[in-house]
Amino acid sequence: AQSVTQLGSHVSVSEGALVLLRCNYSSSVPPYLFWYVQYPNQGLQLLLKYTTGATLVKGINGFEAEFKKSETSFHLTKPSAHMSDAAEYFCAVSVKSGTYKYIFGTGTRLKVLA
Amino acid sequence: EAQVTQNPRYLITVTGKKLTVTCSQNMNHEYMSWYRQDPGLGLRQIYYSMNVEVTDKGDVPEGYKVSRKEKRNFPLILESPSPNQTSLYFCASSLKGGGTEAFFGQGTRLTVV
Repeated sequence: AQSVTQLGSHVSVSEGALVLLRCNYSSSVPPYLFWYVQYPNQGLQLLLKYTTGATLVKGINGFEAEFKKSETSFHLTKPSAHMSDAAEYFCAVSVKSGTYKYIFGTGTRLKVLA
Repeated sequence: EAQVTQNPRYLITVTGKKLTVTCSQNMNHEYMSWYRQDPGLGLRQIYYSMNVEVTDKGDVPEGYKVSRKEKRNFPLILESPSPNQTSLYFCASSLKGGGTEAFFGQGTRLTVV
């Protein structure tokens, strides 16, 4: 069975500091991995995704994530936080096994301090 | 503009009064799904549909019904709502399942009293 674990339900960083949001997954077959962002009172929107190929994936707004199969991780990073990055971030996994299904982590709320 | 539209955005209802939350997408996507979002639990899938007339249960289907009579629409039906169904609901669609991006609606905040 597939699962997603996000470490840290709340993360605070100073403006300009590195953002690191952690995601570990469990899957018995090669996974598709996603990061979504949710701004207040809005739906989720895709930040980036890994399907196959290059393990370092670049997304919108300067975010990137690296797929590390040996560590079953897909951590999200951004070199320099902006106030506008304050939001909730969700890691998700989907596997190609019969019918598709997305499984989301419990989310990490990012707070950016001035 | 490509979008997923949910209605209503906010709904307060009483226990046992049937309600329907509508979801429509204009991207000709095959795959649609419903999630509920609760604090500390993330998003949990209620039902999903791989195509017209093809639906299946997600992780938390109890108390919900869905139908997919047309490709663009995927309504969520609560036949007899209860307070534990108070939640934030999202509809999502994607071209297919798996590695394709899911597009989300704006959400429906439901309160059952």
